[in-house]
Amino acid sequence: DAKTTQPPSMDCAEGRAANLPCNHSTISGNEYVYWYRQIHSQGPQYIIHGLKNNETNEMASLIITEDRKSSTLILPHATLRDTAVYYCIVRSYSGAGSYQLTFGKGTKLSVIP
Amino acid sequence: DAGVIQSPRHEVTEMGQEVTLRCKPISGHNSLFWYRQTMMRGLELLIYFNNNVPIDDSGMPEDRFSAKMPNASFSTLKIQPSEPRDSAVYFCASSAGGPETQYFGPGTRLLVL
Repeated sequence: DAKTTQPPSMDCAEGRAANLPCNHSTISGNEYVYWYRQIHSQGPQYIIHGLKNNETNEMASLIITEDRKSSTLILPHATLRDTAVYYCIVRSYSGAGSYQLTFGKGTKLSVIP
Repeated sequence: DAGVIQSPRHEVTEMGQEVTLRCKPISGHNSLFWYRQTMMRGLELLIYFNNNVPIDDSGMPEDRFSAKMPNASFSTLKIQPSEPRDSAVYFCASSAGGPETQYFGPGTRLLVL
């Protein structure tokens, strides 16, 4: 599995954009980049994923560099409810028709009023 | 859609007792995953099923742990006998298979005294 590197923590002012970086320099050509977040005491929540192109949904945008060695998750207007641990995951195929998610330590994002 | 359902949400038991955790995946999903989360080790995959068949149980800590999926709508994770070091939050997740997104349940918080 490609390993990911994320800063352990970040702060963001409420209403501003939160930009969370992730390094995955050993990613393979067919591996997707996934982002999940975990709000305190809840199960991890899917945010977005991508392969090569930038992606956007109602929650966030995902910017993947052209060489695919890094990506950035953007929360365009952070709110206090976005305070959570954000996990960047490179998804590998483990065979037999199933895919594993390997969670690292993630980035703890604190949105400050 | 009710999402992934887990029961019980909280469990307190004494060392040596049998513990059974239950999971109902999202209807139509054919992959099911059991994870454990602790402060020390983070979020770890214990076992996953594809079409009710266990694919990889290499994450199961030891023989005291067992998991079953008798049908597409129900899975159990059993610990017998339980030990204090089993105290953790246990999450169940399901997906539609392949590279599809995993959706997590709210978790079961287990405390073994």
